[in-house]
Amino acid sequence: AQSVTQLDSHVSVSEGTPVLLRCNYSSSYSPSLFWYVQHPNKGLQLLLKYTSAATLVKGINGFEAEFKKSETSFHLTKPSAHMSDAAEYFCVVSARGYGNKLVFGAGTILRVKS
Amino acid sequence: SAVISQKPSRDICQRGTSLTIQCQVDSQVTMMFWYRQQPGQSLTLIATANQGSEATYESGFVIDKFPISRPNLTFSTLTVSNMSPEDSSIYLCSVGVGRATNTEAFFGQGTRLTVV
Repeated sequence: AQSVTQLDSHVSVSEGTPVLLRCNYSSSYSPSLFWYVQHPNKGLQLLLKYTSAATLVKGINGFEAEFKKSETSFHLTKPSAHMSDAAEYFCVVSARGYGNKLVFGAGTILRVKS
Repeated sequence: SAVISQKPSRDICQRGTSLTIQCQVDSQVTMMFWYRQQPGQSLTLIATANQGSEATYESGFVIDKFPISRPNLTFSTLTVSNMSPEDSSIYLCSVGVGRATNTEAFFGQGTRLTVV
């Protein structure tokens, strides 16, 4: 089976400081990994994805994530938080061996303080 | 990419009734997925809907409670049957686009269901 663990349910940062949202995964097959963002009362938006190409993935709005196979991690980072980054973030794993079904982490709520 | 339209966007229903949610995609896709997001929770896959075959349900979900139709490659419906307050959730339709090893998922805006 495959699974995702988001290590923090809530993260609070000050505007202008770095963001780190942690994600560990488990999969018996080579995984694809995604980060999605969900703003209040809005739909899910894809931030970035890893699909066996470059291990450092750049996404929208200045976010990036690094795939580390040895650590089974895919942490999401941003150098400088903006107020508009406040939202819930989901780390997601899928694999061809599991029919490309998405498995979502529990989510991390990011709060940005002014 | 894919644009997904879901209807209704929200509804308040009486317990014991049923609600059918529609999902329309702007391109032909092989697989469509239905998810549930309970209040304060992450997304859980309900079932995978393939055109021309029975939907495949995940553990904990059954066809009698969540019947799914997939009449063509651009449309699917999910029915929440005999509703109870515990069914109050956001229901989302999703499709995968791209080669099997590079599939990107797109989501509808969701249907926010409240059962009273």
